[in-house]
Amino acid sequence: EDQVTQSPEALRLQEGESSSLNCSYTVSGLRGLFWYRQDPGKGPEFLFTLYSAGEEKEKERLKATLTKKESFLHITAPKPEDSATYLCAVRALNQAGTALIFGKGTTLSVSS
Amino acid sequence: NAGVTQTPKFQVLKTGQSMTLQCAQDMNHNSMYWYRQDPGMGLRLIYYSASEGTTDKGEVPNGYNVSRLNKREFSLRLESAAPSQTSVYFCASKPTEWDEQFFGPGTRLTVL
Repeated sequence: EDQVTQSPEALRLQEGESSSLNCSYTVSGLRGLFWYRQDPGKGPEFLFTLYSAGEEKEKERLKATLTKKESFLHITAPKPEDSATYLCAVRALNQAGTALIFGKGTTLSVSS
Repeated sequence: NAGVTQTPKFQVLKTGQSMTLQCAQDMNHNSMYWYRQDPGMGLRLIYYSASEGTTDKGEVPNGYNVSRLNKREFSLRLESAAPSQTSVYFCASKPTEWDEQFFGPGTRLTVL
């Protein structure tokens, strides 16, 4: 069964304290791993897509990496505005409608 | 471009009432999706439409129906609402088979 597990469920950081979020996946035929950011009361906002092991992508203080079993979202010197829930999702080769399978998310709180 | 829009933003129903959630996108995307998001469960796929004129069931379709009215619009109908359908509903779209999905702002539904 295809599934996505994110850890930790919640993470509290001080401003400037770098850390990483984990996304472990089991999927038959990965056709993309996606990271989204979701602010309270809003829809998920697309951040990155990774397709193959070893691939990395960066955007401001965020860097996403991918291995054959997991992905990491590294947050360097976070600011309070980085506080949000970060969602990881995968697309499997045989997934109906090429829809996404989502993890439950990691809620990040950054305090100043 | 407005992107993906959803109406209404909030709705309260009594058990047994019916309603339709509306979704529209102005990005000329082929595929559209309906998800529900519940605490501790992550986003789960209800129905999807791979292209205009087609619809298919996702992971949790029971109690729902959908209509792909045209390329822009994809509606979700609850024929007889139940308290278990209390959730936040998100519509999403994507241009081609392997692209990322873009989400709307969501509809928060409460069934009493």
